[in-house]
Amino acid sequence: KAGVTQTPRYLIKTRGQQVTLSCSPISGHRSVSWYQQTPGQGLQFLFEYFSETQRNKGNFPGRFSGRQFSNSRSEMNVSTLELGDSALYLCASSEPGHNYGYTFGSGTRLTVV
Amino acid sequence: LAKTTQPISMDSYEGQEVNITCSHNNIATNDYITWYQQFPSQGPRFIIQGYKTKVTNEVASLFIPADRKSSTLSLPRVSLSDTAVYYCLVTTTDKLIFGTGTRLQVFP
Repeated sequence: KAGVTQTPRYLIKTRGQQVTLSCSPISGHRSVSWYQQTPGQGLQFLFEYFSETQRNKGNFPGRFSGRQFSNSRSEMNVSTLELGDSALYLCASSEPGHNYGYTFGSGTRLTVV
Repeated sequence: LAKTTQPISMDSYEGQEVNITCSHNNIATNDYITWYQQFPSQGPRFIIQGYKTKVTNEVASLFIPADRKSSTLSLPRVSLSDTAVYYCLVTTTDKLIFGTGTRLQVFP
């Protein structure tokens, strides 16, 4: 069974630009969540989607948004990039319910210059 | 809202048992606790999940006391390949809160 696939693996963007990251969940998983990981703030929850609907949201500004498609694939968008947005962005998929845990992808390393 | 804290780092030797504790105050009745392992340049990997008392699988045990204000991940007989960062995660009804992470270094 293929794991969670995130593309691209690495990305360099300029301040003020916008970026879209993609996540393909494990086949059959319908829940996708996104996280930001930085050395200073650690792992922080961005949002979670299930059946194309955002179920939960972390404490991030509106510049961070996402969506989920009917095939459960998800995209995350960050607009008006700031230097502080440089981070590893991780996606995880799961079946709904607490008993299954989350399977993470390897992440997209975003560098804003 | 649950806040999770962990020791920043721990050292151990091969073959020893390692216990990593996560403190999570204000944890709600329905919140779950999960532990993950992360290697450099990789996403976190699921280790174990629990709700209360003790859970054991083929790689670890998870102990959660009755007040559920903390949880302890127990790794029996660690090896060099267990050198990684370990995170606890509290899953609430509407948020996922990661701990600060514990960097475990295993020496030969």
